[in-house]
Amino acid sequence: DAGVIQSPRHEVTEMGQEVTLRCKPISGHDYLFWYRQTMMRGLELLIYFNNNVPIDDSGMPEDRFSAKMPNASFSTLKIQPSEPRDSAVYFCASTLREGFSLYGYTFGSGTRLTVV
Amino acid sequence: EDQVTQSPEALRLQEGESSSLNCSYTVSGLRGLFWYRQDPGKGPEFLFTLYSAGEEKEKERLKATLTKKESFLHITAPKPEDSATYLCAVRPSGGYQKVTFGIGTKLQVIP
Repeated sequence: DAGVIQSPRHEVTEMGQEVTLRCKPISGHDYLFWYRQTMMRGLELLIYFNNNVPIDDSGMPEDRFSAKMPNASFSTLKIQPSEPRDSAVYFCASTLREGFSLYGYTFGSGTRLTVV
Repeated sequence: EDQVTQSPEALRLQEGESSSLNCSYTVSGLRGLFWYRQDPGKGPEFLFTLYSAGEEKEKERLKATLTKKESFLHITAPKPEDSATYLCAVRPSGGYQKVTFGIGTKLQVIP
C-alpha cells in the first residue's frame, strides 16, 4: 500500500481564495482524520470520519472550513475564503477500526498551506 | 479538557549519550497513550501504544514507560538517525476517537 496520500504538497494562495486539500486514506481503514499543525499549537484535530460519516467536527475553526468524505477512498478539506491565519501544515490520517488494541494513526505527508 | 505537556521542548545529545523525554498528561480516563516520531517535512510515524500504568514497550534504542500521570521515552545510546521530533498523544476512554497531541520534543543527536 502506498500509505495515506495527500495533495497538493504545497499550496500558496491569496487571501480570499478557495483552497481544497485532498486525501486518499489507506484501503480498509475505517477512520479518517484531518489535523492542522502549527509551531505554536502543535497538532490540532479538525474533524474525523468513521465509515465516511463525520463524527466530530468540533475542531473546525469556523464556518469557512468544511470537509467531506464522499466515499471510502477520498476526502476533501475546503477553506473558503482563506485567510493568512489559516497558514499551517494540514495532515490527513487514517486508522483501522479498534478492537481490544488501539492502532496508531498512519499520517500522510501533509499539505503546507501559505495564505498571503 | 485533555492536556498533554512535553518536556523539554528541545534536547541536544552527543551520540551515545542516553536520556529521557517526558510527557505529562491529564485525561478523563486513559484509553491509551501514544508515541510518534516526526521527521522534518513528513507526517508523524507511529511508535508505541501504552495502556496502563507500569507498562513498557521497546523498539531498538527506544523504550516507553507509563505511570498514572506521565510517560517517558528513554533513548539509549542514541545515533544521529534518531534525530527527530517525538510526539506524545492521549486517547480518553469512551466510544469515540479523539486524540490530543503534545507540542513535541525536538531531539538532535550530534555525531
